[in-house]
Amino acid sequence: AQSVTQLGSHVSVSEGALVLLRCNYSSSVPPYLFWYVQYPNQGLQLLLKYTSAATLVKGINGFEAEFKKSETSFHLTKPSAHMSDAAEYFCAVTNNNDMRFGAGTRLTVKP
Amino acid sequence: DAGVTQSPTHLIKTRGQQVTLRCSPKSGHDTVSWYQQALGQGPQFIFQYYEEEERQRGNFPDRFSGHQFPNYSSELNVNALLLGDSALYLCASSLELAGTGNEQFFGPGTRLTVL
Repeated sequence: AQSVTQLGSHVSVSEGALVLLRCNYSSSVPPYLFWYVQYPNQGLQLLLKYTSAATLVKGINGFEAEFKKSETSFHLTKPSAHMSDAAEYFCAVTNNNDMRFGAGTRLTVKP
Repeated sequence: DAGVTQSPTHLIKTRGQQVTLRCSPKSGHDTVSWYQQALGQGPQFIFQYYEEEERQRGNFPDRFSGHQFPNYSSELNVNALLLGDSALYLCASSLELAGTGNEQFFGPGTRLTVL
């Protein structure tokens, strides 16, 4: 069975500060990993995905994530937070059929 | 290029009723998945349809059923509604290609409220 665990249901940062959202995965086979963002009353938008090509994955809006097999982690980072980054972020893993999501991390950006 | 569309946007039903939600996949996509997202939680996988058949199912009761049409659009039906079925129902579409990680594109969702 595959699953992801997001550490921290809420993260608060100041505008311009580093954003770090944590995700650990469990999978019996090499995983496909994703980060999605959800703004209020909207669906999910893909930020980036890992499909075994490169361990450092760059996504939209300045986000990136690094796949670390030894730590079973896929943490999401952004060097400088912007007010528009405030949203709910979900880490997900798939085996090409169903996609399993974490519980989500709500990011708050303070001015 | 239209993305994934869902209808209706909002729906209010009472306990015991039945509901049908609809989804049109992104152009060129052939696989549709449905998710339930309760308030404050991550999406939970309900089932996936490919070639008009249910290919995989999550841990949901038989009250949840679906259908995929030849044009790849899909319906989610929920019978005997319970208060706990109140949630945002998300449809996602993807293209069946091995090795791509099957990136899923999500619709805006249907907000179902059961009173």
